[in-house]
Amino acid sequence: GAVVSQHPSRVICKSGTSVKIECRSLDFQATTMFWYRQFPKQSLMLMATSNEGSKATYEQGVEKDKFLINHASLTLSTLTVTSAHPEDSSFYICSAQIRDSFQETQYFGPGTRLLVL
Amino acid sequence: AQSVTQLGSHVSVSEGALVLLRCNYSSSVPPYLFWYVQYPNQGLQLLLKYTSAATLVKGINGFEAEFKKSETSFHLTKPSAHMSDAAEYFCAVSRSTDSWGKLQFGAGTQVVVTP
Repeated sequence: GAVVSQHPSRVICKSGTSVKIECRSLDFQATTMFWYRQFPKQSLMLMATSNEGSKATYEQGVEKDKFLINHASLTLSTLTVTSAHPEDSSFYICSAQIRDSFQETQYFGPGTRLLVL
Repeated sequence: AQSVTQLGSHVSVSEGALVLLRCNYSSSVPPYLFWYVQYPNQGLQLLLKYTSAATLVKGINGFEAEFKKSETSFHLTKPSAHMSDAAEYFCAVSRSTDSWGKLQFGAGTQVVVTP
């Protein structure tokens, strides 16, 4: 099956710094990727839709200037958490979409655990 | 707007017993419904999906789910639990009719399988 990777798998950073998380589709091209965050013991919350070659679409309540998304190629989307604060600590998960004439299929990455001190 | 409710954050089942995970949804449009499984330190894996075809959907690893519109439910079952079924399970509904990728997830159900 299709594989999606995320890098890094976990990161610890100091408050005020920026952190970049990569999401790659390893064996397929994805024009659309999605970014979710998951708080401990809670469900995944959609943050934004990342479209190759265009601006990301953010969900209501998600600060686009804080969570910068870049989808520069058909196999890579990046999420940059700018000026991170402890409340940004979370599990960030991406998914990459394959779309054909009949259906769409999502493949999820393994997630990136961010801890902001 | 779409929403998903999973009844029971934790379910304990004996090996060989029936697994039943409950999911109810609300949707303002005909729903596309999904069940995902998440093993520790791994990404979500699709178990099965309902996309307005047959109401009884068979998935991987012996799981199946039945879409019941009258009950707005999409419960997940497996006749006989295996130790390898221990994981977290998420029910999800597509938030958009033009893109299945925008998913609204339930809170998840942690399944523990006892010998």
